[in-house]
Amino acid sequence: NAGVTQTPKFQVLKTGQSMTLQCAQDMNHEYMSWYRQDPGMGLRLIHYSVGAGITDQGEVPNGYNVSRSTTEDFPLRLLSAAPSQTSVYFCASSYSRRQITDTQYFGPGTRLTVL
Amino acid sequence: AQSVTQLGSHVSVSEGALVLLRCNYSSSVPPYLFWYVQYPNQGLQLLLKYTSAATLVKGINGFEAEFKKSETSFHLTKPSAHMSDAAEYFCAVSNPSGTYKYIFGTGTRLKVLA
Repeated sequence: NAGVTQTPKFQVLKTGQSMTLQCAQDMNHEYMSWYRQDPGMGLRLIHYSVGAGITDQGEVPNGYNVSRSTTEDFPLRLLSAAPSQTSVYFCASSYSRRQITDTQYFGPGTRLTVL
Repeated sequence: AQSVTQLGSHVSVSEGALVLLRCNYSSSVPPYLFWYVQYPNQGLQLLLKYTSAATLVKGINGFEAEFKKSETSFHLTKPSAHMSDAAEYFCAVSNPSGTYKYIFGTGTRLKVLA
Protein backbone atom coordinates (compact mmCIF):
# COMPACT_ATOMS: atom_id res chain seq x y z
CA ASN A 1 0.00 0.00 0.00
CA ALA A 2 1.16 3.51 -0.82
CA GLY A 3 -0.96 4.84 2.06
CA VAL A 4 -1.94 8.50 1.73
CA THR A 5 -0.28 10.38 -1.11
CA GLN A 6 -0.32 14.11 -1.76
CA THR A 7 0.78 16.18 -4.72
CA PRO A 8 2.47 18.53 -5.17
CA LYS A 9 4.99 18.65 -2.33
CA PHE A 10 5.70 22.33 -2.83
CA GLN A 11 3.77 25.08 -4.59
CA VAL A 12 4.13 28.82 -5.00
CA LEU A 13 1.11 30.82 -6.10
CA LYS A 14 0.38 34.45 -6.75
CA THR A 15 -2.52 36.13 -5.01
CA GLY A 16 -5.75 35.41 -6.84
CA GLN A 17 -4.60 32.24 -8.57
CA SER A 18 -6.48 29.00 -8.07
CA MET A 19 -5.14 25.50 -7.71
CA THR A 20 -6.00 22.01 -6.57
CA LEU A 21 -4.09 19.99 -4.01
CA GLN A 22 -4.42 16.31 -4.70
CA CYS A 23 -4.90 13.59 -2.10
CA ALA A 24 -5.38 9.89 -2.64
CA GLN A 25 -5.47 6.82 -0.39
CA ASP A 26 -5.42 3.15 -1.33
CA MET A 27 -6.67 1.71 1.97
CA ASN A 28 -10.39 1.88 1.19
CA HIS A 29 -10.91 4.34 4.03
CA GLU A 30 -14.28 5.99 4.46
CA TYR A 31 -13.18 9.07 6.36
CA MET A 32 -10.85 11.64 4.81
CA SER A 33 -9.90 15.10 5.94
CA TRP A 34 -7.79 18.13 5.13
CA TYR A 35 -5.85 20.10 7.72
CA ARG A 36 -3.65 23.13 7.61
CA GLN A 37 -0.71 23.49 9.94
CA ASP A 38 0.50 26.92 11.00
CA PRO A 39 3.13 27.76 13.63
CA GLY A 40 1.66 27.88 17.11
CA MET A 41 -1.79 26.86 15.93
CA GLY A 42 -1.43 23.14 15.53
CA LEU A 43 -3.63 21.36 13.03
CA ARG A 44 -6.87 22.97 12.02
CA LEU A 45 -9.50 21.05 10.12
CA ILE A 46 -10.55 22.58 6.80
CA HIS A 47 -12.99 20.04 5.34
CA TYR A 48 -13.74 16.40 5.82
CA SER A 49 -15.64 13.60 4.13
CA VAL A 50 -17.33 10.51 5.53
CA GLY A 51 -17.64 8.78 2.17
CA ALA A 52 -17.94 9.26 -1.56
CA GLY A 53 -20.33 12.10 -2.33
CA ILE A 54 -20.43 13.37 1.27
CA THR A 55 -18.36 16.33 2.45
CA ASP A 56 -18.67 18.85 5.25
CA GLN A 57 -16.92 21.88 6.67
CA GLY A 58 -14.40 21.85 9.47
CA GLU A 59 -13.09 24.73 11.55
CA VAL A 60 -11.57 26.88 8.80
CA PRO A 61 -13.37 26.19 5.49
CA ASN A 62 -13.44 29.68 3.97
CA GLY A 63 -11.59 29.96 0.69
CA TYR A 64 -11.49 26.20 0.11
CA ASN A 65 -13.68 23.70 -1.72
CA VAL A 66 -13.62 19.93 -1.69
CA SER A 67 -15.33 17.08 -3.49
CA ARG A 68 -15.29 13.32 -3.06
CA SER A 69 -16.34 11.57 -6.24
CA THR A 70 -14.54 8.33 -5.36
CA THR A 71 -13.52 6.63 -2.13
CA GLU A 72 -9.85 7.06 -3.03
CA ASP A 73 -9.57 10.74 -3.94
CA PHE A 74 -10.23 13.89 -1.95
CA PRO A 75 -8.90 17.02 -3.72
CA LEU A 76 -8.76 20.41 -2.05
CA ARG A 77 -9.34 23.48 -4.21
CA LEU A 78 -8.16 26.97 -3.44
CA LEU A 79 -10.55 29.26 -5.26
CA SER A 80 -8.60 32.53 -5.18
CA ALA A 81 -5.36 32.22 -3.25
CA ALA A 82 -4.54 34.75 -0.53
CA PRO A 83 -1.31 35.22 1.47
CA SER A 84 -3.23 34.04 4.57
CA GLN A 85 -3.43 30.62 2.93
CA THR A 86 0.32 30.18 3.08
CA SER A 87 0.62 27.03 5.14
CA VAL A 88 1.43 23.35 5.15
CA TYR A 89 -1.54 21.22 4.14
CA PHE A 90 -2.06 17.65 5.27
CA CYS A 91 -4.53 15.12 4.03
CA ALA A 92 -5.49 12.26 6.34
CA SER A 93 -7.71 9.22 6.24
CA SER A 94 -9.16 6.68 8.65
CA TYR A 95 -11.05 3.47 8.15
CA SER A 96 -14.53 4.11 9.42
CA ARG A 97 -16.75 7.15 9.39
CA ARG A 98 -18.13 6.19 12.79
CA GLN A 99 -15.33 4.47 14.70
CA ILE A 100 -13.81 7.26 16.78
CA THR A 101 -10.91 5.13 18.00
CA ASP A 102 -9.56 4.82 14.47
CA THR A 103 -6.00 5.80 13.74
CA GLN A 104 -5.62 8.60 11.22
CA TYR A 105 -3.05 8.11 8.48
CA PHE A 106 -1.44 11.27 7.20
CA GLY A 107 0.08 12.18 3.88
CA PRO A 108 3.51 13.84 3.65
CA GLY A 109 2.06 17.32 3.24
CA THR A 110 2.04 20.12 0.68
CA ARG A 111 3.92 23.29 1.50
CA LEU A 112 2.09 26.21 -0.11
CA THR A 113 3.33 29.77 -0.38
CA VAL A 114 1.07 32.54 -1.66
CA LEU A 115 2.83 35.72 -2.72
CA ALA B 1 -17.44 20.13 23.75
CA GLN B 2 -14.15 18.35 23.49
CA SER B 3 -10.77 20.09 23.56
CA VAL B 4 -7.13 19.43 24.35
CA THR B 5 -4.49 21.70 25.81
CA GLN B 6 -0.79 21.06 25.43
CA LEU B 7 1.29 22.92 27.99
CA GLY B 8 4.57 24.13 26.58
CA SER B 9 5.00 24.75 22.89
CA HIS B 10 8.72 23.96 23.19
CA VAL B 11 10.42 21.49 25.50
CA SER B 12 14.17 20.83 25.70
CA VAL B 13 15.74 17.83 27.38
CA SER B 14 19.22 16.39 27.50
CA GLU B 15 19.94 13.11 25.79
CA GLY B 16 19.25 10.34 28.30
CA ALA B 17 16.89 12.47 30.41
CA LEU B 18 13.21 11.89 31.05
CA VAL B 19 10.79 13.20 28.46
CA LEU B 20 7.48 14.56 29.75
CA LEU B 21 5.03 16.21 27.37
CA ARG B 22 1.79 17.41 28.89
CA CYS B 23 -1.73 17.08 27.56
CA ASN B 24 -4.95 17.94 29.34
CA TYR B 25 -8.34 17.31 27.87
CA SER B 26 -11.87 18.51 28.29
CA SER B 27 -14.65 16.16 27.34
CA SER B 28 -18.31 15.83 28.13
CA VAL B 29 -18.16 12.09 27.48
CA PRO B 30 -15.49 9.45 28.18
CA PRO B 31 -12.71 10.46 25.83
CA TYR B 32 -10.52 8.58 23.44
CA LEU B 33 -7.07 10.15 23.27
CA PHE B 34 -4.17 10.00 20.86
CA TRP B 35 -0.57 11.10 20.63
CA TYR B 36 0.90 11.69 17.19
CA VAL B 37 4.49 12.53 16.27
CA GLN B 38 5.70 14.61 13.35
CA TYR B 39 9.33 14.30 12.33
CA PRO B 40 10.82 17.18 10.35
CA ASN B 41 9.28 17.60 6.91
CA GLN B 42 7.00 14.60 7.32
CA GLY B 43 3.37 13.90 8.02
CA LEU B 44 2.04 12.82 11.39
CA GLN B 45 2.12 9.23 12.58
CA LEU B 46 0.44 7.59 15.53
CA LEU B 47 2.53 7.05 18.67
CA LEU B 48 -0.20 5.58 20.86
CA LYS B 49 -3.87 5.82 21.70
CA TYR B 50 -6.13 5.35 24.70
CA THR B 51 -9.37 3.56 24.00
CA SER B 52 -10.40 2.73 27.61
CA ALA B 53 -8.87 -0.77 27.65
CA ALA B 54 -5.99 0.19 29.97
CA THR B 55 -5.02 3.48 31.58
CA LEU B 56 -1.29 3.01 30.89
CA VAL B 57 -0.74 2.87 27.16
CA LYS B 58 2.52 1.85 25.57
CA GLY B 59 3.43 3.11 22.15
CA ILE B 60 6.22 2.95 19.64
CA ASN B 61 9.82 4.02 20.26
CA GLY B 62 9.60 3.56 24.04
CA PHE B 63 6.90 6.16 24.64
CA GLU B 64 3.99 5.65 26.97
CA ALA B 65 1.12 7.71 28.32
CA GLU B 66 -1.14 7.37 31.31
CA PHE B 67 -4.80 8.33 31.29
CA LYS B 68 -5.74 10.03 34.55
CA LYS B 69 -9.41 10.82 34.73
CA SER B 70 -9.15 12.70 38.03
CA GLU B 71 -6.59 15.06 36.52
CA THR B 72 -8.10 15.05 32.99
CA SER B 73 -4.60 14.38 31.71
CA PHE B 74 -2.87 12.15 29.20
CA HIS B 75 0.79 13.06 29.52
CA LEU B 76 3.38 11.44 27.26
CA THR B 77 6.61 10.12 28.78
CA LYS B 78 9.79 8.36 27.80
CA PRO B 79 12.39 7.39 30.42
CA SER B 80 15.45 8.25 28.36
CA ALA B 81 15.47 10.72 25.46
CA HIS B 82 17.32 9.93 22.27
CA MET B 83 18.45 12.40 19.65
CA SER B 84 16.05 10.78 17.20
CA ASP B 85 13.09 11.79 19.42
CA ALA B 86 13.44 15.41 18.31
CA ALA B 87 10.11 16.12 16.65
CA GLU B 88 6.77 17.81 17.17
CA TYR B 89 4.19 15.95 19.23
CA PHE B 90 0.45 16.41 19.03
CA CYS B 91 -2.21 15.31 21.46
CA ALA B 92 -5.69 14.71 20.04
CA VAL B 93 -9.10 13.79 21.42
CA SER B 94 -11.97 12.10 19.67
CA ASN B 95 -15.12 14.04 19.13
CA PRO B 96 -18.02 11.62 19.48
CA SER B 97 -20.69 14.24 19.91
CA GLY B 98 -19.55 16.35 16.99
CA THR B 99 -19.71 15.90 13.27
CA TYR B 100 -15.99 15.44 12.72
CA LYS B 101 -13.93 12.87 14.51
CA TYR B 102 -10.83 14.45 16.00
CA ILE B 103 -9.62 17.61 17.71
CA PHE B 104 -5.90 18.35 17.89
CA GLY B 105 -3.82 20.31 20.36
CA THR B 106 -1.41 22.99 19.24
CA GLY B 107 1.64 20.74 19.48
CA THR B 108 4.86 20.59 21.50
CA ARG B 109 8.22 20.74 19.79
CA LEU B 110 10.76 18.53 21.55
CA LYS B 111 14.43 19.39 21.31
CA VAL B 112 17.02 16.89 22.52
CA LEU B 113 20.37 18.30 23.58
CA ALA B 114 23.58 16.33 23.22
